[in-house]
Amino acid sequence: DAKTTQPPSMDCAEGRAANLPCNHSTISGNEYVYWYRQIHSQGPQYIIHGLKNNETNEMASLIITEDRKSSTLILPHATLRDTAVYYCIVRLGSGDMRFGAGTRLTVKP
Amino acid sequence: EAQVTQNPRYLITVTGKKLTVTCSQNMNHEYMSWYRQDPGLGLRQIYYSMNVEVTDKGDVPEGYKVSRKEKRNFPLILESPSPNQTSLYFCASSPLLAGEPETQYFGPGTRLLVL
Repeated sequence: DAKTTQPPSMDCAEGRAANLPCNHSTISGNEYVYWYRQIHSQGPQYIIHGLKNNETNEMASLIITEDRKSSTLILPHATLRDTAVYYCIVRLGSGDMRFGAGTRLTVKP
Repeated sequence: EAQVTQNPRYLITVTGKKLTVTCSQNMNHEYMSWYRQDPGLGLRQIYYSMNVEVTDKGDVPEGYKVSRKEKRNFPLILESPSPNQTSLYFCASSPLLAGEPETQYFGPGTRLLVL
């Protein structure tokens, strides 16, 4: 059973911020939220992860709600190369990483 | 260059003919994993390994075997492939942080067609 819920698709204008939501209402206290993306049929690429606090790196920001039941991945200035499927993953336990269907983000000129 | 390699990248085979897809990583990662990807189903984990000689089933282990005799290698074995195993396969590796996999590095994928 999937532990995360994401919209199947989203569009974003080039240069604008892309905000990708994820619901994980059954997350437990020690589970991390991870985000990966997959461009076409390439291997997925790690973006960012977090536990409780908001996180930022050179690729994106991760905002986790205080109750940890949802999160948002923010790409601050989306480019055409950010068009991909974005996966939100909650780690179930040791080694068990489950990817859902993800959100297909299309960045338009 | 730090990487995960898979071989072969493309394979066409026939039902019942045993095959092995190799996976190797040069990052000294403890954790390795295999996924399959099918249209509309996203990535599903087949097997994973937390370290040498330690393997566990993922979501869809039926019809597959794995072994972890060395830290760098994690081959995926299909003893008797069937057409429903036609898929795109990814291997991944990750360092462990406090006993849990951290960020996973994925290989380029192996596209398998079973006739």
